[in-house]
Formats: sequence, structure tokens, C-alpha cells
Amino acid sequence: DTEVTQTPKHLVMGMTNKKSLKCEQHMGHRAMYWYKQKAKKPPELMFVYSYEKLSINESVPSRFSPECPNSSLLNLHLHALQPEDSALYLCASSQALAGGVETQYFGPGTRLLVL
Amino acid sequence: GDSVTQMEGPVTLSEEAFLTINCTYTATGYPSLFWYVQYPGEGLQLLLKATKADDKGSNKGFEATYRKETTSFHLEKGSVQVSDSAVYFCALSPNTNAGKSTFGDGTTLTVKP
Repeated sequence: DTEVTQTPKHLVMGMTNKKSLKCEQHMGHRAMYWYKQKAKKPPELMFVYSYEKLSINESVPSRFSPECPNSSLLNLHLHALQPEDSALYLCASSQALAGGVETQYFGPGTRLLVL
Repeated sequence: GDSVTQMEGPVTLSEEAFLTINCTYTATGYPSLFWYVQYPGEGLQLLLKATKADDKGSNKGFEATYRKETTSFHLEKGSVQVSDSAVYFCALSPNTNAGKSTFGDGTTLTVKP
């Protein structure tokens, strides 16, 4: 089973709202990733967790707050977002951070619209 | 830094035509190379991968060979189907700087019946 699940599938929020995106995998993977993808563009890395610890933060604004409560779950907390944050948010996981051989498996994404 | 360059799209082919999508890369060391496919409204799916020079990745009739001498990883399929219409991303995973994959800009393929 190489499935990564994400909820919700779609999310509409106002600029003053607080919401969370959820990602789950049961492959025993120890690295999990958040990406942001704008239309017709490649994914942009936001955060990487390795063994439930934040390993990479690609200078993401603080209105995005990641959390990894256990090895299977990854959350992205959203607060005071801007309309330009509207995008597809993709979660991915890999067996570990293995320096060149990690294969990332992606979820279906959450399509976020900020009004 | 690392970079991946894909042939510009969009690419439009008739069903059963031969497909090539070019991908070249620059990276230090010996990265792993990947092709991902993204169907409309979906996430990225791993299509195939190669982890060292001269490896050939293959899946669902698609193939790509890791060519270190030309720093290329071109995607090919002998006979495309309408269902292959999607966006294809070439990507590399560096053997240093773990976790920081680099993606190409994507190539949109449309296959007409």
C-alpha cells in the first residue's frame, strides 16, 4: 500500500479564519513533506519532517504552521492567510531522508481558496 | 544549485503515436531521477525512477534511462493512449541535501483519439 491520504479535499477560508490540513500515511515512512503547487507550476517545497522533527523549513511565512504529532500524521495549520496563498497543498512521504534515494509518495492534495 | 530542464509543452499527439519528453539536469554528485505524472485535479503519482547511471526505469509502457554522460533522463512511450493525457514532471533527488528534490516545470501532454 503506497497511499497517502489528505483531508479535506477542498477548503475555502476567509483571511481571518483558522483552519488545518491533515495528511496521513501508514507505510511506516519516517519523512513527511508539505508542498505548495500553483496552477501549471511544479510543486514548491515548504516543510520536511524527519522522525517527527522539523528538518527543513523553506522560509515559509509564519501564517503556515506545521505539526507532526506522530509518525503517521502531518498537519498544516493555517491562520490569517492571503488570497495569494490559494493553491493545491500536497503532502508526501518517503521511507526516510536518505540522500538521493528517497522516493516520495504524494497524496491527492487539498485545494485551498482564500477569499 | 541543482536544476531540471524539461522540453516545453504543451505536446499534442494522436493516439498510438510515439512519445518523447526530454529532460536534462544539472546536479553535484549522483542524484536519483524520477518521472511523476499528474492527472487533472489530482496529486503527483510516481511513474518511474532510476537511482544510478545507465539504470532504466519502466512502468505502464513508459521508459527512461539515466544517462550520466549527457545528464539526461528522457521519457519515452511507444504508443500513447488518450488516458495518458496529463502533466509530466521530471525530478531529481540529490545525494547531498536530503529532502530537497528539484522538479522541472512540467510538460502537458494531450492525446487525441
